[in-house]
Amino acid sequence: AQKITQTQPGMFVQEKEAVTLDCTYDTSDQSYGLFWYKQPSSGEMIFLIYQGSYDEQNATEGRYSLNFQKARKSANLVISASQLGDSAMYFCAMRGQAGTALIFGKGTTLSVSS
Amino acid sequence: DGGITQSPKYLFRKEGQNVTLSCEQNLNHDAMYWYRQDPGQGLRLIYYSQIVNDFQKGDIAEGYSVSREKKESFPLTVTSAQKNPTAFYLCASRLISGGYTEAFFGQGTRLTVV
Repeated sequence: AQKITQTQPGMFVQEKEAVTLDCTYDTSDQSYGLFWYKQPSSGEMIFLIYQGSYDEQNATEGRYSLNFQKARKSANLVISASQLGDSAMYFCAMRGQAGTALIFGKGTTLSVSS
Repeated sequence: DGGITQSPKYLFRKEGQNVTLSCEQNLNHDAMYWYRQDPGQGLRLIYYSQIVNDFQKGDIAEGYSVSREKKESFPLTVTSAQKNPTAFYLCASRLISGGYTEAFFGQGTRLTVV
């Protein structure tokens, strides 16, 4: 069975600092995709970044980067230069080879203070 | 603008009533999904559909029903058999071709039993 684990219920960071949100996954598939989504208090889910299991380079999108360590089955999200608007819940998700639906972790609440 | 529209944003249900949550997309996406989110929890898959007139149960399908009569529409009915329906419901869609494409989400419907 596939599973996503996010062990940090809450994280606190000051503006302009970098923060790492942890995500580990479990799958027996050789080919899979890993995703991070942001959920502000409004409830919408905003796609941030994607990493494929065969991608050799870590994915980056602006201030977001994904620290992908395949052997450890981890896909941590790094946010550089945090902003107040980054305060939200962050979800790690995975889609395996056979299925089409994303499975999600329980999320990490990030609070950015000035 | 292309996107996913969920309605209503807030919904109140009396015990014993069935209610239907609407989800419409104009992205020409093949697959559509319904997720349930409880406080402090990740998203759990209720139902998904990859083509018109076909759908599959997710992890928590009991007490819910869906239909997919048109590609752009995937309504979710919360039946009286669902004993604890108070939750935030998110609809998503995805283009299946092209590999591990991200899912796009609607704004969500918050259902409360009164």
